[in-house]
Amino acid sequence: QKEVEQNSGPLSVPEGAIASLNCTYSDRGSQSFFWYRQYSGKSPELIMFIYSNGDKEDGRFTAQLNRASQYISLLIRDSKLSDSATYLCAMSGTGGYNKLIFGAGTRLAVHP
Amino acid sequence: SQTIHQWPATLVQPVGSPLSLECTVEGTSNPNLYWYRQAAGRGLQLLFYSVGIGQISSEVPQNLSASRPQDRQFILSSKKLLLSDSGFYLCAGWASGNTIYFGEGSWLTVV
Repeated sequence: QKEVEQNSGPLSVPEGAIASLNCTYSDRGSQSFFWYRQYSGKSPELIMFIYSNGDKEDGRFTAQLNRASQYISLLIRDSKLSDSATYLCAMSGTGGYNKLIFGAGTRLAVHP
Repeated sequence: SQTIHQWPATLVQPVGSPLSLECTVEGTSNPNLYWYRQAAGRGLQLLFYSVGIGQISSEVPQNLSASRPQDRQFILSSKKLLLSDSGFYLCAGWASGNTIYFGEGSWLTVV
């Protein structure tokens, strides 16, 4: 069974701090990995994707991929109240057609 | 860039009634299209995907069906809804690049 595991949270961080979200996956053949943000009652919004081992930065967000450990993470620097949401990690399965397999999501709460 | 529209946004249906959710895509042609369902507090489960007109693949056995009558139209249907069909239904598309984008979603409550 190809799976993506996430801690459901909630993860609570103060405004301005770094939030660290983590995800593990079971399928070593997965090619690409994605982080989505989902506000309550809304559809997921893509934050960024990563397919190379190492770090990828985009503004306040850094995605990290470690294929040896089958682990991805998302760091959010200078957390803002508006970052409070559920963060979903996803991987593209090896079956092709860009089908994404999602984790259950981690709820992030940024407090003043 | 592609835009995905879904409707209706919200619906409440009795058990045993039919269902039709529609999704249309703008800004691209020949996209891969997907239907996902998200139960309360859960992750997204892939239900169907389509790589072209009339081509539907089902990921899980269920009470639902999908159709793709036109290149940029994807429909999710059921002949008789079950309580367990309640959830947040999301249409998604992939056309180019490494990204899948979602529509606004449809909230279905079966009563």
